[in-house]
Amino acid sequence: DAKTTQPPSMDCAEGRAANLPCNHSTISGNEYVYWYRQIHSQGPQYIIHGLKNNETNEMASLIITEDRKSSTLILPHATLRDTAVYYCIVRGSNTGNQFYFGTGTSLTVIP
Amino acid sequence: DAGVIQSPRHEVTEMGQEVTLRCKPISGHNSLFWYRQTMMRGLELLIYFNNNVPIDDSGMPEDRFSAKMPNASFSTLKIQPSEPRDSAVYFCASRHSGSQGEQYFGPGTRLTVT
Repeated sequence: DAKTTQPPSMDCAEGRAANLPCNHSTISGNEYVYWYRQIHSQGPQYIIHGLKNNETNEMASLIITEDRKSSTLILPHATLRDTAVYYCIVRGSNTGNQFYFGTGTSLTVIP
Repeated sequence: DAGVIQSPRHEVTEMGQEVTLRCKPISGHNSLFWYRQTMMRGLELLIYFNNNVPIDDSGMPEDRFSAKMPNASFSTLKIQPSEPRDSAVYFCASRHSGSQGEQYFGPGTRLTVT
């Protein structure tokens, strides 16, 4: 699976958009980009995933660059409850069912 | 749906004792995963099952760890004998094979071995 690189920490003002970047320059054609988050003392929570096209759901938007070497998770209106560690994971469809969680980005939403 | 259920939520035991962690996956999900999370090593996959069959146990630390899935709605992770370095949060996750891979995690079991 391709390795991902994320900033260790970020701050965001409450109510503003939080943009979390992820680099995955060695991603291959059949690998999806997944985002999870982990709020303190809870299990990781699935947010969104995509292959090539941008995706949006009720939680967030995922923007994948045309060359697929990086992506951005967007929380459009961050709230205090969005404070968490956000993991960007790249996983191929033919590598079993394993997710490799890195160190993620610790997002702090500031009142 | 109740989501993935894990028990107990907290376990404190003495070194050398047997510990059994339990997981009930989401109904209809046919893949189940056990993870361990520590400050030092982050979130690590220990073992996963597909249709109740262990597929990859390469993440299991050593022979003291064993996992079973006797049916589609129940799995156990056993540590015998336990050691202080086994102290961690253990998560169970499940997934439906028809999905594109997203896994749904339980609340975890916080294990402390003294």
